[in-house]
Amino acid sequence: EVQLVESGGGLVQPGGSLRLSCAASGFTFRSYWMHWVRQAPGKGLVWVSRINTDGSSTNYADSVKGRFTISRDNAKNTLYLQMNSLRTEDTAVYYCARTRRGSYFPWGQGTLVTVSS
Amino acid sequence: DIQMTQSPSSLSASVGDRVTITCQASQDINNYLSWYQQKPGKAPNLLIYDASRLETGVPSRFSGSGSGTDFTFTISSLQPEDIATYYCQQYDNLPYTFGQGTKLEIK
Repeated sequence: EVQLVESGGGLVQPGGSLRLSCAASGFTFRSYWMHWVRQAPGKGLVWVSRINTDGSSTNYADSVKGRFTISRDNAKNTLYLQMNSLRTEDTAVYYCARTRRGSYFPWGQGTLVTVSS
Repeated sequence: DIQMTQSPSSLSASVGDRVTITCQASQDINNYLSWYQQKPGKAPNLLIYDASRLETGVPSRFSGSGSGTDFTFTISSLQPEDIATYYCQQYDNLPYTFGQGTKLEIK
């Protein structure tokens, strides 16, 4: 079964850091581009970042550029999102997703990041 | 950025009804459009990709159509388990962008 499982969310103070992980199983992880998408409480879906198959190319939403870093370890079948200088507006459920020509399937179950003092 | 305008924002319909949601892109997206279903507390689930292709395992009552900038998502006969929020998404250009969502309720 193709599966993605996120971890690493939690409560953090403004200005703090957090690293999210996304463990992949059931498919050849190194063959797929991967993305992070977030959803603030009660709001819609917003693209955050993407990474190519070998990690040599990354892209970010303007709102997180310079603060977030996406990376992957293909030997461990794991995707990461390092989040620094967190702001209250970064509060959201963060989903990792495998892309197939741009559409997302599957998605992980999501991990909640709450930025609050 | 490409803006995706989805309508309506909410919809109430009866079991068995035909339901239609529209999504308009601010520029031609070359049919690089997906539709997702999201149930409360759950991750989104891919239903339609490339504007009209049904994802494997998705019931045939779901369909998508359109081209260029104007797209339509249809449920041919609404079932109780279809209660969810539906989103369109363009993947023609980064940043990939989503419509604001359509919350579907049973009348």
